[in-house]
Amino acid sequence: DVKVTQSSRYLVKRTGEKVFLECVQDMDHENMFWYRQDPGLGLRLIYFSYDVKMKEKGDIPEGYSVSREKKERFSLILESASTNQTSMYLCASSGGVATYNEQFFGPGTRLTVL
Amino acid sequence: DAKTTQPTSMDCAEGRAANLPCNHSTISGNEYVYWYRQIHSQGPQYIIHGLKNNETNEMASLIITEDRKSSTLILPHATLRDTAVYYCIVTGGYQKVTFGIGTKLQVIP
Repeated sequence: DVKVTQSSRYLVKRTGEKVFLECVQDMDHENMFWYRQDPGLGLRLIYFSYDVKMKEKGDIPEGYSVSREKKERFSLILESASTNQTSMYLCASSGGVATYNEQFFGPGTRLTVL
Repeated sequence: DAKTTQPTSMDCAEGRAANLPCNHSTISGNEYVYWYRQIHSQGPQYIIHGLKNNETNEMASLIITEDRKSSTLILPHATLRDTAVYYCIVTGGYQKVTFGIGTKLQVIP
């Protein structure tokens, strides 16, 4: 079974803190994605990566950065957390060259910024 | 602009077929139709996808109209565990995948 794990299910941080959300997949997938999910807005793509050290902006990259130093790990970084970044964050991975291939999602991290 | 249009919510009686529609009138020739669902408090889960032909797997059937401008996901015998948000996505090539708001399906006992 494909497994995508995220470092925390729940996280509480203070405004201005630097926040790291970690995602690890065990299926040797080329592509990895970070989304955020908010009520009434669905899932919105923040960043994705199709290879180690490669990254592409999604629909809402502002306020976020990412890092992919190893194939299995994709990190989302909030340089200075703000209250409007309180959200559910979902990581996903997919295999193959095409970035639209079936995506496997992690359980999500619910981040609260106070 | 949204590539797909889905009803916001639907109800279905347990044991009956659930038919979830999706309009994608601007779909292009190399784009696939994908369906995912998200059960409360979990990440989305892939269900099925298709290009032109109808598709069936152990979870569902996907019916795509001949002009490809719309499709229907069919859950043949809905159970309470099928209560979820269902996302219809059109994507292809090297495009990023965009999830919309989806259809909230409530299966009623």
